[in-house]
Amino acid sequence: GIQVEQSPPDLILQEGANSTLRCNFSDSVNNLQWFHQNPWGQLINLFYIPSGTKQNGRLSATTVATERYSLLYISSSQTTDSGVYFCAVPGGSQGNLIFGKGTKLSVKP
Amino acid sequence: EPEVTQTPSHQVTQMGQEVILRCVPISNHLYFYWYRQILGQKVEFLVSFYNNEISEKSEIFDDQFSVERPDGSNFTLKIRSTKLEDSAMYFCASSGQTAGNTIYFGEGSWLTVV
Repeated sequence: GIQVEQSPPDLILQEGANSTLRCNFSDSVNNLQWFHQNPWGQLINLFYIPSGTKQNGRLSATTVATERYSLLYISSSQTTDSGVYFCAVPGGSQGNLIFGKGTKLSVKP
Repeated sequence: EPEVTQTPSHQVTQMGQEVILRCVPISNHLYFYWYRQILGQKVEFLVSFYNNEISEKSEIFDDQFSVERPDGSNFTLKIRSTKLEDSAMYFCASSGQTAGNTIYFGEGSWLTVV
C-alpha cells in the first residue's frame, strides 16, 4: 500500500519563528489533507490540497503531485500552533485516508 | 461550519464489555468512516461506509467490530467484547458527495479499557 512519511518527527521553535514541514508519499494521489491535532486530541482540518498552493492566514501548503510531496509552512509561529501535524492521502477507492506518523511541533514562548 | 459530532467524549469500560460509540456525520454527507488512534501513534483507518453498507475495512476491523447507521442521522461503532488493546481515541469522519472529497473528523471518543 501507499506509504506516507513526514519530516521532521519533532520540531521545537521559539515563538515568532517560521517552519516548514514535509510530507512524502510513495504513489500518485488525487487528494492530500493536512491536519493539526491539538493537545486535547482534536483533529483540525487545515488544508485539502491535491496540488498547487493554498494559504490560510499564517499557514500555507504546497503539493507537488508529480514529485510526490507536500509542504506545510507555518510563519510567525505562536504557542497555540503546538501539537502534532499530520498529512494524509487516500489509500483506497472509498477515499479512506492513510496518515503519516506526524510532526510534533512545540512552540516555546 | 457544519461539524461531525461524537458521543461520548470519554468512556471507561471493563474488559469484555460491549461499547457503542456514536457519531452524527455532517448532514448532506454520504461517506462515513471510523478511525482509531492509539496514544502516541498515528491515526489508522478502520472502516468506511457508503450506501448503507461497509465499502472498505482494514485488518484492524475484525469480527468484534461492527458499524451501523440505525437512522438517517446517526452512525455507530460497536465493539462487542473489549480488550485492553482497544484503548484508543476513536474518530468518526464523513465526506461529501463523492469519494475523494475533503474528509471531516469529529472530536473523537477516548475509550479506556480497564
